[in-house]
Amino acid sequence: DTAVSQTPKYLVTQMGNDKSIKCEQNLGHDTMYWYKQDSKKFLKIMFSYNNKELIINETVPNRFSPKSPDKAHLNLHINSLELGDSAVYFCASSHGVGTDNEQFFGPGTRLTVL
Amino acid sequence: AQSVAQPEDQVNVAEGNPLTVKCTYSVSGNPYLFWYVQYPNRGLQFLLKYITGDNLVKGSYGFEAEFNKSQTSFHLKKPSALVSDSALYFCAVRPLGYQKVTFGTGTKLQVIP
Repeated sequence: DTAVSQTPKYLVTQMGNDKSIKCEQNLGHDTMYWYKQDSKKFLKIMFSYNNKELIINETVPNRFSPKSPDKAHLNLHINSLELGDSAVYFCASSHGVGTDNEQFFGPGTRLTVL
Repeated sequence: AQSVAQPEDQVNVAEGNPLTVKCTYSVSGNPYLFWYVQYPNRGLQFLLKYITGDNLVKGSYGFEAEFNKSQTSFHLKKPSALVSDSALYFCAVRPLGYQKVTFGTGTKLQVIP
């Protein structure tokens, strides 16, 4: 019955590798997001998609590439991983764009780059 | 530009006492305001939101928040704290009609038995 799910939960990898994180929501929402939470717990928006179209693209290195194959899925691919990419990445979803609707968050993916 | 400030990194309160977690915001125009809670190793969970209307908003787990337009504040409150309320609390703002939600830096609430 998980509303927003992410895989994997933990990801440990070496610098320079390429990795992907997957996100799925079964809430029927049309908007999905990727957030990065650093070691100080600061939460920063990275990307947002509405109906498979990119609507928010914050200042994020080109090594990060999101993809939304359909409204229920939003994946994040990261090329040439760096030490500074170590963080917890959260996927979230909501209904509508620019509305008063709250976001539903996944459990997070803890990425550790060695 | 929109911003949210949570001036306290940590708030300590004794169990049974009232608690307040502070939040101030800066936006152009009218704001949608939210509070979320994050328990250790979990994602954020929605607590409550202010859209319009009554300045006192009630939410989950007995929490409420008071919107004050003149002070641009949206403080989170609870009349009687529980040990299980110990968590990280985030205030967030979205200006009316804008896509992006901006989160505050978070306040760690510690309820002492």
